[in-house]
Order: sequence, then structure tokens, then C-alpha cells
Amino acid sequence: GAGVSQSPRYKVAKRGQDVALRCDPISGHVSLFWYQQALGQGPEFLTYFQNEAQLDKSGLPSDRFFAERPEGSVSTLKIQRTQQEDSAVYLCASSPLAGGQLVEQFFGPGTRLTVL
Amino acid sequence: GENVEQHPSTLSVQEGDSAVIKCTYSDSASNYFPWYKQELGKRPQLIIDIRSNVGEKKDQRIAVTLNKTAKHFSLHITETQPEDSAVYFCAASDDKIIFGKGTRLHILP
Repeated sequence: GAGVSQSPRYKVAKRGQDVALRCDPISGHVSLFWYQQALGQGPEFLTYFQNEAQLDKSGLPSDRFFAERPEGSVSTLKIQRTQQEDSAVYLCASSPLAGGQLVEQFFGPGTRLTVL
Repeated sequence: GENVEQHPSTLSVQEGDSAVIKCTYSDSASNYFPWYKQELGKRPQLIIDIRSNVGEKKDQRIAVTLNKTAKHFSLHITETQPEDSAVYFCAASDDKIIFGKGTRLHILP
């Protein structure tokens, strides 16, 4: 079956531009996570959804970052007024159960964002 | 909050030898400890996980041990093969999953 997909795979933005990153989780998966992975680092938690409810957004680095999952399936991570420090790979992961922090997460291929 | 330390950051082993990667965590409430493998340019994939009520788990050439008292856990890969070359991440989770910084494993021919 289809795994987690993300689009675009690569995004180049000029500093100050807004970007929107899309995640299509595995069908039926309840939990959805967004991570930021800087070069040579591990994924860093950004936010967590259980269905359409955003239960944890404590990892979002600033109010320029916003995520939504309005129908409990596809999710969008939006970054406003991008800065060079936002350059990273943004990973989405989904899990079939609520409390997806405690079971296997299935990762997407990531979106590599470069801010010039 | 939780803090996960992982070492070494880079590890080179001869093909056929064993590799060991160690992690420590700070939050005693963490009760789930997965290990992910990430090949260059690819997505992380779970290779093994362990829960806090278990001290050791094995799956073919891969094993993980957990010492809750000392708050450390380790990944052991035996009979290493070229396809084991990748970056390995440990993680600890309670209400939030926190990853280590990764270990780049090189298998030397």
C-alpha cells in the first residue's frame, strides 16, 4: 500500500516568502507528526495531531509556523516570512493509533526547504 | 523536558564485526525506546523498539538492551553487512518522542 507522501520534495524560497508543505499520511492513521531535521541532526518534534485536533504544538519554533489537519487526514505545515534558519528537511510521520508517540511511526520522504 | 544523548557520532567497523551504539535519557517517565535507521537521502525507518517493562529484545542480527535504573539503552548489530551502513537514531518517548543526534555507521569491506 501507499506510504506517507510529502510535497513538494524540494522547495527554494527567498527570505520573507511564505511556504506551505503538504503531508498525506497513510489512510486511516490517527496520529500525525511534523519534525524538523537540520543537516547532520536527528528529527526535532514540531507538532502532533490526533485526527483533526492539534494536541501538542510545543515544538513550533515561532509564531511564524502554523500547522493544520482540518479533516483529520492531509496536513499542511505553513511557514510565514521564511528566514535562513528555517532551512532544513521537514519530515511528516503518521501512526495508526492515538498516542502515536508510543508505537512505530511511518515517515514520509521529507521536504527539503532552502531559504536564500 | 526529555534529553537524549547518543554516542558515538561516527562508528566504523569491519564487515562481519559487531557494532554498538549507546544512548542515555533524562526523563524517568519515558517508557518507549525506538531505533530508526536512515539511509542517505531516505526516510527514517523503524528497525527495533523496546518498552520499559522489558530489558532486552532481539530480532535476528539486531538487539536492544534497556537499563531503566541507569537510564540508558543500547543497540547491538552483529555480523555487520555493507547494507548496515546508515545513520541510526535512538529515541525516548513518553508524551513526546525525542531523538538523539544520530550515529553514522560505516561498514568497512
